[in-house]
Amino acid sequence: GENVEQHPSTLSVQEGDSAVIKCTYSDSASNYFPWYKQELGKRPQLIIDIRSNVGEKKDQRIAVTLNKTAKHFSLHITETQPEDSAVYFCAASIVTGNQFYFGTGTSLTVIP
Amino acid sequence: DAGVIQSPRHEVTEMGQEVTLRCKPISGHNSLFWYRQTMMRGLELLIYFNNNVPIDDSGMPEDRFSAKMPNASFSTLKIQPSEPRDSAVYFCASSFPILTGPGYTFGSGTRLTVV
Repeated sequence: GENVEQHPSTLSVQEGDSAVIKCTYSDSASNYFPWYKQELGKRPQLIIDIRSNVGEKKDQRIAVTLNKTAKHFSLHITETQPEDSAVYFCAASIVTGNQFYFGTGTSLTVIP
Repeated sequence: DAGVIQSPRHEVTEMGQEVTLRCKPISGHNSLFWYRQTMMRGLELLIYFNNNVPIDDSGMPEDRFSAKMPNASFSTLKIQPSEPRDSAVYFCASSFPILTGPGYTFGSGTRLTVV
């Protein structure tokens, strides 16, 4: 089955700086890559996703890049704010498959 | 739509007791997933159902854990007997047949504490 690795496990940045979280996957058939944000005590919620037919997608301060050849994808958060502090999970799947394979999560702390 | 509904939100029980967690998926979603989240292990998939049928229960830790989905609108995760190491947040999620993020929704979770 698919194996998703996520790094780093913890990340601290100063407010206003950028944060980058990286994930690798093992199954070349995976073609859908969502990112989830989980605030303390709350449920994971989708923040951005990308399909394998594009290399980059942006939504305001958040962007995701995908390198299919190297089988890795990254989440980029620019101009970080304290409310960006949360645990972020990446995932990989086949759109017609049965489940998401999640990374182990990155705890991001934005220091005011 | 009220989203994926889980109950109870919090459960405190004594070791050895039976615990039942409940989940109501979003109407129209045909896949349902049970996850366990701990600091040590992160988000672990326990079992998932397609069209009410269990597809993969390889993540269920022990025979003490069982899950059912008697119909399209209800699922339970039961732990009997419970142990302190079962303390975790248990999430239920549901999705459409085609896996896309917007169609894959988590419930608010049940925080289980076994003392």
